[in-house]
Amino acid sequence: SYVLTQPPSVSVAPGQTARITCGGNNIGSKSVHWYQQKPGQAPVLVVYDDSDRPSGIPERFSGSNSGNTATLTISRVEAGDEADYYCQVWDSSSDQNVFGTGTKVTVL
Amino acid sequence: EVQLVESGGGLVKPGGSLRLSCAASGFTFSSYSMNWVRQAPGKGLEWVSSISSSSSYIYYADSVKGRFTISRDNAKNSLYLQMNSLRAEDTAVYYCARDFAARRLDYWGQGTLVTVSS
Repeated sequence: SYVLTQPPSVSVAPGQTARITCGGNNIGSKSVHWYQQKPGQAPVLVVYDDSDRPSGIPERFSGSNSGNTATLTISRVEAGDEADYYCQVWDSSSDQNVFGTGTKVTVL
Repeated sequence: EVQLVESGGGLVKPGGSLRLSCAASGFTFSSYSMNWVRQAPGKGLEWVSSISSSSSYIYYADSVKGRFTISRDNAKNSLYLQMNSLRAEDTAVYYCARDFAARRLDYWGQGTLVTVSS
């Protein structure tokens, strides 16, 4: 089955840039979506189709996808960005949705 | 406003059954595929199952195949998950989520907790 690997944690100072990677075999050929989940809350879609943002999501959230790695970038990090982040793709070879292992972003 | 409200969670013994429901409102339910996603306590997200708008296409995670059944009633704007032969490892918060193009899950419910324990 298809596996998506994320770093367990990323720490960043306020105002700096956080980059969260999502590794998968030839992930660049798939559409990658990213979700933010704060404690006790449901996930929220923050980036879809590699680099598009739903309405209401700040421009500080951006994404890219190439080769074997997709990346979610959070610019000018704020305290409110502290959360768990998950990448997700549809694996057409197995007809299954796949989530990444998740990354906890800590704002120092 | 899109709303998804799950119900039906609770405590069940290993080997038991439970049926979850998800009531949808604020959009044309019959036009969208839907998903169930779960999250075990302190763990990450795990996709469980998806169903197309007309129920023509149904998919399951390997971990639940043969035990869980997803279904929907478009007349009632409702999504269901019938869970049989439950195991301790099925303990999780279960979310229903709307499936937009390219399988992105753009709206989620608040979840319902299923606890499998003797």
